[in-house]
Amino acid sequence: LAKTTQPISMDSYEGQEVNITCSHNNIATNDYITWYQQFPSQGPRFIIQGYKTKVTNEVASLFIPADRKSSTLSLPRVSLSDTAVYYCLVGALYSSASKIIFGSGTRLSIRP
Amino acid sequence: NAGVTQTPKFRVLKTGQSMTLLCAQDMNHEYMYWYRQDPGMGLRLIHYSVGEGTTAKGEVPDGYNVSRLKKQNFLLGLESAAPSQTSVYFCASSSIQGMANEQFFGPGTRLTVL
Repeated sequence: LAKTTQPISMDSYEGQEVNITCSHNNIATNDYITWYQQFPSQGPRFIIQGYKTKVTNEVASLFIPADRKSSTLSLPRVSLSDTAVYYCLVGALYSSASKIIFGSGTRLSIRP
Repeated sequence: NAGVTQTPKFRVLKTGQSMTLLCAQDMNHEYMYWYRQDPGMGLRLIHYSVGEGTTAKGEVPDGYNVSRLKKQNFLLGLESAAPSQTSVYFCASSSIQGMANEQFFGPGTRLTVL
């Protein structure tokens, strides 16, 4: 099971680009990288998923290098409303639910 | 569509009391999950279900029981509440099992055990 490591917390300012890196050195061939966002007093929300190279949607971009041992979630021009905890999960499709692990995540604080 | 709903939103129990948390989803998902989240921590899987009538243990199942009598509902029970069970409880559902499959979460139930 791939273990993930993320910074505990990050601070930034409105309008800046924020990059959160997740390390997953023992990622398996079948594993995908999935990011969730959790606002205070809410459940987590899926924001992006990728297998390799780059994925972009209306919320974020996900960059995955060729060796796939790390990934970077990029939030363009953040606002106060992006203050949240961001979780990086690594695992395979159709894997057992018993292996689902949410780490402690990265607490992102955006300042005016 | 309401998505995933949880009842109640808040609850205070005394040690030794029992209660049931209800989770309901209207997305026809096969898989449902119960997590707990302690302050400043990530989510830990308590129990999960891979379909109606099935349940299985997650990472931290002790002190909890679950039932999935109907596909759309997943109940979490505490038979004898303890202060260590003070936490926020989240229910989630997904169409496919596994870490890589999008889970849809409810708003959470904040439980305090005195």
